[in-house]
Amino acid sequence: DTGVSQDPRHKITKRGQNVTFRCDPISEHNRLYWYRQTLGQGPEFLTYFQNEAQLEKSRLLSDRFSAERPKGSFSTLEIQRTEQGDSAMYLCASSSPGRSSGNTIYFGEGSWLTVV
Amino acid sequence: AQKVTQAQTEISVVEKEDVTLDCVYETRDTTYYLFWYKQPPSGELVFLIRRNSFDEQNEISGRYSWNFQKSTSSFNFTITASQVVDSAVYFCALSEGRRGTYKYIFGTGTRLKVLA
Repeated sequence: DTGVSQDPRHKITKRGQNVTFRCDPISEHNRLYWYRQTLGQGPEFLTYFQNEAQLEKSRLLSDRFSAERPKGSFSTLEIQRTEQGDSAMYLCASSSPGRSSGNTIYFGEGSWLTVV
Repeated sequence: AQKVTQAQTEISVVEKEDVTLDCVYETRDTTYYLFWYKQPPSGELVFLIRRNSFDEQNEISGRYSWNFQKSTSSFNFTITASQVVDSAVYFCALSEGRRGTYKYIFGTGTRLKVLA
């Protein structure tokens, strides 16, 4: 069983550049989530998809951030005009809709972003 | 408002000692889920356990056990006979059961160091 995979695992970029992260969820999971984690903190919710529909965005997600899930499978998270404050680990997660899942989400290994 | 507090920032124990990680939560919901995740140095958040608000039975899984007490809003995690491989950051999380799976509120994590 393949877990949630994210690419790239590490990205160093100069301030002002755009970056894009990709997430492939567990197959058959129709829900996909993006979280952000900074050093010494727990993950914070960014956004959530059910199939291809983006159902909620956190206020943390400024207009420089955009997430898509065009065919209800993989998702991309793009950050435009990166700032040093964007340096963090971006975690993708997925879950299945069944009652038996009990709200459990499964995370990938994350994509580390360093903005210099 | 929902909140998860993990007051222990870092704990060091010697191998084979027992250790308890504390988690206190706040919510006004009557239906909610509680989780523990392990984050090893690789970064991936590994799901350990889920508890719903109606199930206060304690659970044991091998060397791991969890004590859920609604009266004190606590969901503590005990590792018996700790091993070096248990070294990681452990996160407690809360989600609303009524509204769906997407918003987990994480604590700030407890870094556990198990020394050989």
